[in-house]
Amino acid sequence: EAQVTQNPRYLITVTGKKLTVTCSQNMNHEYMSWYRQDPGLGLRQIYYSMNVEVTDKGDVPEGYKVSRKEKRNFPLILESPSPNQTSLYFCASSPRTGDTSTDTQYFGPGTRLTVL
Amino acid sequence: QKEVEQNSGPLSVPEGAIASLNCTYSDRGSQSFFWYRQYSGKSPELIMSIYSNGDKEDGRFTAQLNKASQYVSLLIRDSQPSDSATYLCAVKRGYNKLIFGAGTRLAVHP
Repeated sequence: EAQVTQNPRYLITVTGKKLTVTCSQNMNHEYMSWYRQDPGLGLRQIYYSMNVEVTDKGDVPEGYKVSRKEKRNFPLILESPSPNQTSLYFCASSPRTGDTSTDTQYFGPGTRLTVL
Repeated sequence: QKEVEQNSGPLSVPEGAIASLNCTYSDRGSQSFFWYRQYSGKSPELIMSIYSNGDKEDGRFTAQLNKASQYVSLLIRDSQPSDSATYLCAVKRGYNKLIFGAGTRLAVHP
């Protein structure tokens, strides 16, 4: 089954404790992206990757890191989480970069993160 | 001013009615526009994309685009309770980015 998976789905942690949220897709997609969703603010892009070893900042990258060592995986790293990073996080992937092919983004199930 | 604006709702319509969802955007150079549906607790899924002025129909859904007015809308005909969800308008910025509105919550009551 073609899908984007995220782990964990739910996480409660404390300020300053490093964490990683994994994202994996089995569709051989080149483009992958991380979003956070907050009430009243919608989905905001954190980082994106156009291919292996190619990543770039989105609109809200502060406090986050990413890596793309393999095509299928795009982990999101919070080196020192803070309470303002409490949010619902979505990973998404898309077939190719550029033109209309990046328009259909397939979203993972989401990770609800609470930082105390 | 937000790049993509939507009324948060909730928009409440009776079953069988037409639901009309609206979205405005600020970047006059935008060329690609999308509607995503998000059920409570679930991830967004694409339901419509539109690139040219005018209407685009797909089943019970019609997307309307007016670039001069910087306005995108989604009409849902014969609304069903299963259409109750949050509808996200998204606009493509540049090469790869999608900018989402905050979403409009639609409630279809029997």
